[in-house]
Amino acid sequence: AAGVIQSPRHLIKEKRETATLKCYPIPRHDTVYWYQQGPGQDPQFLISFYEKMQSDKGSIPDRFSAQQFSDYHSELNMSSLELGDSALYFCASSSGQGNSGANVLTFGAGSRLTVL
Amino acid sequence: AQKVTQAQTEISVVEKEDVTLDCVYETRDTTYYLFWYKQPPSGELVFLIRRNSFDEQNEISGRYSWNFQKSTSSFNFTITASQVVDSAVYFCALSEADTDKLIFGTGTRLQVFP
Repeated sequence: AAGVIQSPRHLIKEKRETATLKCYPIPRHDTVYWYQQGPGQDPQFLISFYEKMQSDKGSIPDRFSAQQFSDYHSELNMSSLELGDSALYFCASSSGQGNSGANVLTFGAGSRLTVL
Repeated sequence: AQKVTQAQTEISVVEKEDVTLDCVYETRDTTYYLFWYKQPPSGELVFLIRRNSFDEQNEISGRYSWNFQKSTSSFNFTITASQVVDSAVYFCALSEADTDKLIFGTGTRLQVFP
């Protein structure tokens, strides 16, 4: 079965640079979520989209932005990177409606960002 | 405020032992959902189970079982006859009815030795 595809899997950037992460949800999943997991930490919710509209927002820095496109893939853009942005970034998708805690999320393998 | 507490940071067992991972949650909502996810060394997050707040029936799936008790706000996870492949970090998580946000506990690292 198709899973959530994230690219790139690994990314190394310098401070103050920009990075873009991509996420391709499971076919027919219309809700996409982004989470950030720092080293040894639990995943933290950043933002979600349902049917290409922002559905919910968590602790996403102002330097980050995201969107969901017409084919339901999503991109997370991170600018003015800081050392503290080094983390594993997960994308997840679900077939449920946005803003529903009942949704079961299927996570991708993650994109590991290292900021030097 | 919502919160998930996994007091056990790390547990080590020998293969075939039973092990219980504790999870205590806090929420003011009457409708909420509880989850367990597994994160093996490869790093992905694997969904294990979801329970809603109105269903306190315990569940068993193979060697896995879950005990949900609203009276103590706990949702504990037991692995019977543990195997080396069970070695992973296990996260308990909570979401409320009208939000996309999953609140994770800090995770319990389980190491199963042969």
